[in-house]
Amino acid sequence: GNSVTQMEGPVTLSEEAFLTINCTYTATGYPSLFWYVQYPGEGLQLLLKATKADDKGSNKGFEATYRKETTSFHLEKGSVQVSDSAVYFCALSDRGTGNQFYFGTGTSLTVIP
Amino acid sequence: GAVVSQHPSRVICKSGTSVKIECRSLDFQATTMFWYRQFPKQSLMLMATSNEGSKATYEQGVEKDKFLINHASLTLSTLTVTSAHPEDSSFYICSATGTSGAPGTQYFGPGTRLTVL
Repeated sequence: GNSVTQMEGPVTLSEEAFLTINCTYTATGYPSLFWYVQYPGEGLQLLLKATKADDKGSNKGFEATYRKETTSFHLEKGSVQVSDSAVYFCALSDRGTGNQFYFGTGTSLTVIP
Repeated sequence: GAVVSQHPSRVICKSGTSVKIECRSLDFQATTMFWYRQFPKQSLMLMATSNEGSKATYEQGVEKDKFLINHASLTLSTLTVTSAHPEDSSFYICSATGTSGAPGTQYFGPGTRLTVL
């Protein structure tokens, strides 16, 4: 079946540190992969996505590469800011299951000045 | 583009009453809407999927008579929590896919915090 395994948090980093949040997946078909971000008290916002192998999604300094060989979609940012503090969710969408989304458990990131 | 709104953002009700939550796609037609429930510090749990004009498909373990979903138009879906109890207190989030953005991308509403006393 389809599932997403995400690095457990919480993660605490100093401002300007390098961020990696690991995400691996299992899928029966050819999924699209997403990272969503949730700020405190808010809903989810699409951060970036990749729809096929070797695609790189990027937005606001974050990036993630769809690696089919390792079934991974790790999120990275070279220099985090305090405003990046949020919960990050990795997700996959499989056309074979009607585009149903499968979410990871979320990783809480806190960036301290 | 691809904005989804929810109303209300926060609601407090007494046990035994019913609460309706609206989810609207503001600038696109939402052929499919999803309702999720999120517990504190946990991921989203899909409750049901609704297509415009047809009955919602509920996930296993979700009571369809308790969580009534109506998707009457291409821009509006409602979730009614009937006879709410304290254990129904949660953060409810809707999302939509449709005519905006890349196929299959879900756009999320800001969520509704329900507290049942």
